[in-house]
Amino acid sequence: EAGVAQSPRYKIIEKRQSVAFWCNPISGHATLYWYQQILGQGPKLLIQFQNNGVVDDSQLPKDRFSAERLKGVDSTLKIQPAKLEDSAVYLCASSPGPSYEQYFGPGTRLTVT
Amino acid sequence: QKEVEQDPGPLSVPEGAIVSLNCTYSNSAFQYFMWYRQYSRKGPELLMYTYSSGNKEDGRFTAQVDKSSKYISLFIRDSQPSDSATYLCAMNQFYFGTGTSLTVIP
Repeated sequence: EAGVAQSPRYKIIEKRQSVAFWCNPISGHATLYWYQQILGQGPKLLIQFQNNGVVDDSQLPKDRFSAERLKGVDSTLKIQPAKLEDSAVYLCASSPGPSYEQYFGPGTRLTVT
Repeated sequence: QKEVEQDPGPLSVPEGAIVSLNCTYSNSAFQYFMWYRQYSRKGPELLMYTYSSGNKEDGRFTAQVDKSSKYISLFIRDSQPSDSATYLCAMNQFYFGTGTSLTVIP
């Protein structure tokens, strides 16, 4: 069974630029999550999708971050404009339903200079 | 006060040692307790998942939950160099500790 795929793996941008990350969850997984993991910290949930609907986006900085999950499969997370403090690893995870067993992708490491 | 506290380490042990990793939490409503292993430049991988208080064993790994003390532990027996990673505790799916970095020296 293929795992959660993410791209790109690494991205370096300048502040005020925009960036997008892509996630392909495990086939058949209805629930998809985006997390932000700052160096030395645990993952912080940004947004949770159930199929193509948003379940929780209370910690998503909506003035600069947006996410979508079209057709309930792939998802993209966008930052526009980026700030220095957005430097982090962005993790995508999926699960068959809203359960506690999440499967994480390898993450996208973003550096904002 | 953070909802989940975890000593970041680093922790360094010789191969074969018993490792004890711990987290404390403040929210008594937490019912589900997870331990993840995260290798460098990889995503977290679920190791153990426990509901409410008690012990759960899986091979060399044992998870303990003491809800009265708001304290959870992960024990690793006969530690191996391949166990070298960061271990994250998590409560109710979304409340993560900061992770403890473990190195097992051959």
